[in-house]
Amino acid sequence: DVKVTQSSRYLVKRTGEKVFLECVQDMDHENMFWYRQDPGLGLRLIYFSYDVKMKEKGDIPEGYSVSREKKERFSLILESASTNQTSMYLCASSRGTGGRLNTEAFFGQGTRLTVV
Amino acid sequence: AQKITQTQPGMFVQEKEAVTLDCTYDTSDQSYGLFWYKQPSSGEMIFLIYQGSYDEQNATEGRYSLNFQKARKSANLVISASQLGDSAMYFCAMREARRMDSNYQLIWGAGTKLIIKP
Repeated sequence: DVKVTQSSRYLVKRTGEKVFLECVQDMDHENMFWYRQDPGLGLRLIYFSYDVKMKEKGDIPEGYSVSREKKERFSLILESASTNQTSMYLCASSRGTGGRLNTEAFFGQGTRLTVV
Repeated sequence: AQKITQTQPGMFVQEKEAVTLDCTYDTSDQSYGLFWYKQPSSGEMIFLIYQGSYDEQNATEGRYSLNFQKARKSANLVISASQLGDSAMYFCAMREARRMDSNYQLIWGAGTKLIIKP
């Protein structure tokens, strides 16, 4: 059974803390993604990676950074957490699209982060 | 401008009835793909169905079908014989061919919360 695993389901952090959200996939996928999900806004892409040590900014990268040292692991880092980063964070992975439009993404269970 | 529009923030449907979830999209590409995902309260996004812009037939997967109307740029999800377990958020998403080189472009709608009543 394919799996994307996020390290925490729920997290509460204080303003100004450095926060690490971890994501691991066991499907040998090239691509990994971090999304933020807020009510009424759908999913917004923060960062993605198409290979080890490679990263690309998504639509809302400000206040975030990422790390991909190994193919199976993609970390999202909040350098100095703020209350407006309270949200649900979803990690996903997929094969390289290789010209295929129908490549689906597989998601983790999400991390609900509250910054107080 | 919104690329993917889901006009129904929430829907209540009686169990065993069919339900249609709306999705309209905006693209100038001729080649694109459309996806529907389900997100139960557990949080995990589950892929349901895919429709390619050049597919001649509407996609079907079990109780799910996609009512694809290319001229109207709509890709509505139809769930037949709804079940209590269908209660979830449903998201429509699109991938455009012209953005394939960036290898990531799934553009998402805001979602529709579907509640099935017993």
